[in-house]
Amino acid sequence: SYVLTQPPSVSVAPGKTARITCGGNNIGSKSVHWYQQKPGQAPVLVIYYDSDRPSGIPERFSGSNSGNTATLTISRVEAGDEADYYCQVWDSSSDLYVVFGGGTKLTVL
Amino acid sequence: EVQLVESGGGLVQPGGSLRLSCAASGFTFSSYAMSWVRQAPGKGLEWVSAISGSGGSTYYADSVKGRFTISRDNSKNTLYLQMNSLRAEDTAVYYCAKPVEMATISAAFDIWGQGTMVTVSS
Repeated sequence: SYVLTQPPSVSVAPGKTARITCGGNNIGSKSVHWYQQKPGQAPVLVIYYDSDRPSGIPERFSGSNSGNTATLTISRVEAGDEADYYCQVWDSSSDLYVVFGGGTKLTVL
Repeated sequence: EVQLVESGGGLVQPGGSLRLSCAASGFTFSSYAMSWVRQAPGKGLEWVSAISGSGGSTYYADSVKGRFTISRDNSKNTLYLQMNSLRAEDTAVYYCAKPVEMATISAAFDIWGQGTMVTVSS
């Protein structure tokens, strides 16, 4: 089945830029979605179809996808951005269909 | 307001059964495929199952195939997950999720319920 690989953790100082990667075989040919999850809460969609932002999500959140890596970029990081972030794709050739990455814990220093 | 509210979780013994429900409101439920996603304590997200808007097509992760059954009642705007032969590894918070686009199970999930906890233990 298709595998998405994320770094377990990323740390960034407030006001700086955080980049969270999601690796997968030829992931650039797929649509990637990103979710933010804070402790005890349900996930929240922050980026879909590689780079689209749902209404209500700050412009500081952006996404890109090419080759074997998709990236979620958070500019001007705030303390409130500290959370787990998950990438997700749909893989019709997989027995899993909907595939999530293992998640990345973003720590704001 | 678009909303999903899960119910039916609880403590069940290994080998037991449980049926989860997800009540939807604020959107045309029958037009959207729906999914169940679970999260074991301290672990990541795992997709479990999906169903088309009409209910005619269903999809399962290998880990639950043959044990779980997804269904829906569009007249009641409710999604279900019947879980049989439960195992300790099924212990998780179970979320129902709505895709951002109609008539596709491949879209991103823009609306999630608050989740319902299922604990499988003797």
